[in-house]
Amino acid sequence: RKEVEQDPGPFNVPEGATVAFNCTYSNSASQSFFWYRQDCRKEPKLLMSVYSSGNEDGRFTAQLNRASQYISLLIRDSKLSDSATYLCVVGSNFGNEKLTFGTGTRLTIIP
Amino acid sequence: DAGITQSPRYKITETGRQVTLMCHQTWSHSYMFWYRQDLGHGLRLIYYSAAADITDKGEVPDGYVVSRSKTENFPLTLESATRSQTSVYFCASRSRDRGENYGYTFGSGTRLTVV
Repeated sequence: RKEVEQDPGPFNVPEGATVAFNCTYSNSASQSFFWYRQDCRKEPKLLMSVYSSGNEDGRFTAQLNRASQYISLLIRDSKLSDSATYLCVVGSNFGNEKLTFGTGTRLTIIP
Repeated sequence: DAGITQSPRYKITETGRQVTLMCHQTWSHSYMFWYRQDLGHGLRLIYYSAAADITDKGEVPDGYVVSRSKTENFPLTLESATRSQTSVYFCASRSRDRGENYGYTFGSGTRLTVV
């Protein structure tokens, strides 16, 4: 079983719609959680951290469910510029700085 | 300019050759990482470094060597390149300090083709 699993998609969503991604992780000792965005042939860029209480940044909302070991990302009022691959990322513990990346979910926003 | 830079951006090399990928960051970040990205595998950690002269293996270290004599540089060397090492290589860094969003910052990548 992979440490971090995501639905690879692709998700093809009309502009203005709401889209949600889920991600599961296998290591119950994981302590840090992130969503990264990666555009085609570019480097990954941090989109947002994910906190236990959930957090929101504009149109983006991230949730963490430790009991079920999954992380979600909700994008509201999707824009064409949201088209990208979204990577779910998990860190094992605060003493270990290594992050494990999911293979990503590809999102295309359709005009 | 401040940031993290990788060189070269593109490299074609022959099987058996030694090749070094460079990574330089100007933030004095303690931690630096090398990942490779391949279709179907996502990003996989090759090596990482917690500070100058401290390095450790990641998930896929075989065939690679790293060094970190200075905080700002973290070169990755393929001792004898193989076709299976054809990939996109990303270097990343992060500070030891923990802010709200303390995730990694990545360089723009090196596309390596081994023929």
